[in-house]
Amino acid sequence: DTAVSQTPKYLVTQMGNDKSIKCEQNLGHDTMYWYKQDSKKFLKIMFSYNNKELIINETVPNRFSPKSPDKAHLNLHINSLELGDSAVYFCASSLGSGSSGNTIYFGEGSWLTVV
Amino acid sequence: GEDVEQSLFLSVREGDSSVINCTYTDSSSTYLYWYKQEPGAGLQLLTYIFSNMDMKQDQRLTVLLNKKDKHLSLRIADTQTGDSAIYFCAVFGGSQGNLIFGKGTKLSVKP
Repeated sequence: DTAVSQTPKYLVTQMGNDKSIKCEQNLGHDTMYWYKQDSKKFLKIMFSYNNKELIINETVPNRFSPKSPDKAHLNLHINSLELGDSAVYFCASSLGSGSSGNTIYFGEGSWLTVV
Repeated sequence: GEDVEQSLFLSVREGDSSVINCTYTDSSSTYLYWYKQEPGAGLQLLTYIFSNMDMKQDQRLTVLLNKKDKHLSLRIADTQTGDSAIYFCAVFGGSQGNLIFGKGTKLSVKP
């Protein structure tokens, strides 16, 4: 069984479109994250939610809006897509928030290409 | 803020040992992690070490931690072509305690 699952795995879309990436975890974790990996493979956190509450919001454009309907789901909606949004987006989860003792488990990633 | 540094490339021959190094600035992370990313795949937790340990061994993997120098290394014994991947060092840091990654070391294993 997949612990952290994201859909879609691949997404190709045109500039200006709005798209969503969904994430679900079945690990019973209470904290979920979105990370972005750019074309140079650099990984950086975008958002973190703990029990449906926003904990971390890095300097991400307002076009990115995370939504957590419950602690097992964290979706990422992106408005007015730009070429620079092309990246791999990783969902992740952990037990506990911001504690260095809690291992973070990652999903398989969603490859977004904006054309 | 927290900074995690790794060399970007490492090339070894099959059967040799690989050593991937990482340095970090914030020493408050209780655990320090190594993640592996194979081509076109997601991030896989490879191993981690508790900050009170100097060394952890797990089959072909050996993690060494030098807290004084803030240096973490991952040694892969008898490196195989299947070990070819990008290896990320990661520690917790920053004001909000998020996981911060190094830029990744791309390991190429030549037959």
